Formats: sequence, C-alpha cells, structure tokens
Amino acid sequence: NAGVMQNPRHLVRRRGQEARLRCSPMKGHSHVYWYRQLPEEGLKFMVYLQKENIIDESGMPKERFSAEFPKEGPSILRIQQVVRGDSAAYFCASSPLASGSNEQFFGPGTRLTVL
Amino acid sequence: QKEVEQDPGPLSVPEGAIVSLNCTYSNSAFQYFMWYRQYSRKGPELLMYTYSSGNKEDGRFTAQVDKSSKYISLFIRDSQPSDSATYLCAMSGEGSTLGRLYFGRGTQLTVWP
Repeated sequence: NAGVMQNPRHLVRRRGQEARLRCSPMKGHSHVYWYRQLPEEGLKFMVYLQKENIIDESGMPKERFSAEFPKEGPSILRIQQVVRGDSAAYFCASSPLASGSNEQFFGPGTRLTVL
Repeated sequence: QKEVEQDPGPLSVPEGAIVSLNCTYSNSAFQYFMWYRQYSRKGPELLMYTYSSGNKEDGRFTAQVDKSSKYISLFIRDSQPSDSATYLCAMSGEGSTLGRLYFGRGTQLTVWP
C-alpha cells in the first residue's frame, strides 16, 4: 500500500515563474492537507481539501497561492510569480477522516528553491 | 505567544537512556495530540496519536497528555541511535478546526552509541 506521493521532490524556479506541486494521497484517503516548512521553523498549515472542495484555506497566503483537489488526479498546490521567500519544503498529508480520526500521514515533501 | 511551544534542543543522550520530550500549548480547544518523527530531509512520520487526556504506550514510546496543565510529553525508553531525528508535537481541535494541525518547532535528538 503506497504512502502519500509527492512530485517533484525538488523544484528550482526563477523569480516570477510558476511552481506546481503535486500530491497523491494514500489509497482510500479522500482528505488532503498542505503544509510549509521554512528553515528552522515548524510546519505551518496552509490548506485542507476534500475532493473538489476547499474546506479550510485559512493558512494560505492571500495572493499567488492556490490549491485544488479535482475529482480525478492528484491535488495541486500552485504558486504564481514565485519570490525568494517561497523557498521552503512543502509537505502534503492525507487522512481518511470519515471515521472521525484526524491521523494525518505525510509525504516526502517537495523542496522548492527560488533563484 | 505561540499556540504550541517546544524546546528545539538539541538534545544529546547516550544509547539506552530514557528520553523525555515536551510541548506546552495555549489553546484549550485542542483535543487531538500527536507526535511525529522527522529524519533529515524526509517527511514527518506519525509515531503517536491520542485523544484528550491520558497515557498511550506503543513499544518503547509513551505519550502523555495533561490537558489541565496544557502539557504533553513523549517518553522514549531504551533509546537507540536510530532514534536520532527531530521530534515534532502536533495538535488540533474538533469540528471545523479538526483538519488543521498546529506544530511545535521540533526537538532535535541525537542518541550516541
């Protein structure tokens, strides 16, 4: 049973370009979460999605960031017009949640470097 | 004041020692408490998951939650060099806030042979 998959594992972008990060949840999980980890800081919540719905986006920056989890395919975190401050590790997690459990299982992360 | 406080360490212990890791929090609405282990440049791995107050044991790991003091702990018995990692505490509320985890900064642990 494959775990949470993220790709790419490493992404390099120049300032002003777009970054697209993909996440496939564990089999049977329909809830996806995105977190950002800056150097020397803990993980910060960004957004919580179910299929075709954004449940909680209170941690998302108001501009340039968006996320989706379509009916088919992986969840996508999109960062437009990247700046150096966007350089971080971005982690995706998934959970079944339907049973009331909040156990979140994390992927290996995408390390974004903005030049 | 941050919602979750965790001493970043570093913490260095000899093999076989008992390790105690702690977090404090300020939000009394938190009901779910977790400990994750994160190796360098890897994703966090869920170690322990508890609901409300009490203790939970799993092998060499014991998690304790004291909601009256807003204090959670993770104990590692008979520590091994393979336990060397960063340990993150995390917690969440219920209902509409169930999905959002609040993390501590993590405590870096080294177990030397």
